[in-house]
Amino acid sequence: EDQVTQSPEALRLQEGESSSLNCSYTVSGLRGLFWYRQDPGKGPEFLFTLYSAGEEKEKERLKATLTKKESFLHITAPKPEDSATYLCAVRYGGATNKLIFGTGTLLAVQP
Amino acid sequence: GAVVSQHPSRVICKSGTSVKIECRSLDFQATTMFWYRQFPKQSLMLMATSNEGSKATYEQGVEKDKFLINHASLTLSTLTVTSAHPEDSSFYICSARKDSRVPYEQYFGPGTRLTVT
Repeated sequence: EDQVTQSPEALRLQEGESSSLNCSYTVSGLRGLFWYRQDPGKGPEFLFTLYSAGEEKEKERLKATLTKKESFLHITAPKPEDSATYLCAVRYGGATNKLIFGTGTLLAVQP
Repeated sequence: GAVVSQHPSRVICKSGTSVKIECRSLDFQATTMFWYRQFPKQSLMLMATSNEGSKATYEQGVEKDKFLINHASLTLSTLTVTSAHPEDSSFYICSARKDSRVPYEQYFGPGTRLTVT
């Protein structure tokens, strides 16, 4: 069955404490992996798209990487304003026009 | 930019009434729009996909007669929850995809909180 799984479900960090969030997927014919940030009561905000294994993208304190089975969102020296739920989603060969979302990682960064 | 708006942001209605939610792409034309619902502490579940001028494609388990979708133009899609019941209370989010000739990206609206009493 096609699945997207994120871990951990929740993560609490101290300000400046770097860590990584994981998104693993079991789909056939990946056609894009997407990372979004969602604040409470808001819609998801687009962060990155990755298309092939080995690809990396960076934006400020965030860096996304992709392998054939999973993606990591690395957060370097996080700040309290990075607190949010981070969602990953995949677009794959069997459903080219839609995204399948994982359940998200709730990140809390304490000052 | 790629801004998507939704209206209303919050709505409270009585059981048995219908509610319409609008989704607009403000600065681009959207070839495809998507409707999701999200329960507390859960991820987004796709309800339906709509293309301008054609009927929406509903995901398995979503009642098309209950959740009416109209994609009237390249910048507007509406979701009408008919005969709403308390179990329809949820956070409804729309998204829009730009022209299919550009790399695939979905841009999300801010969501609509529906409470049915």
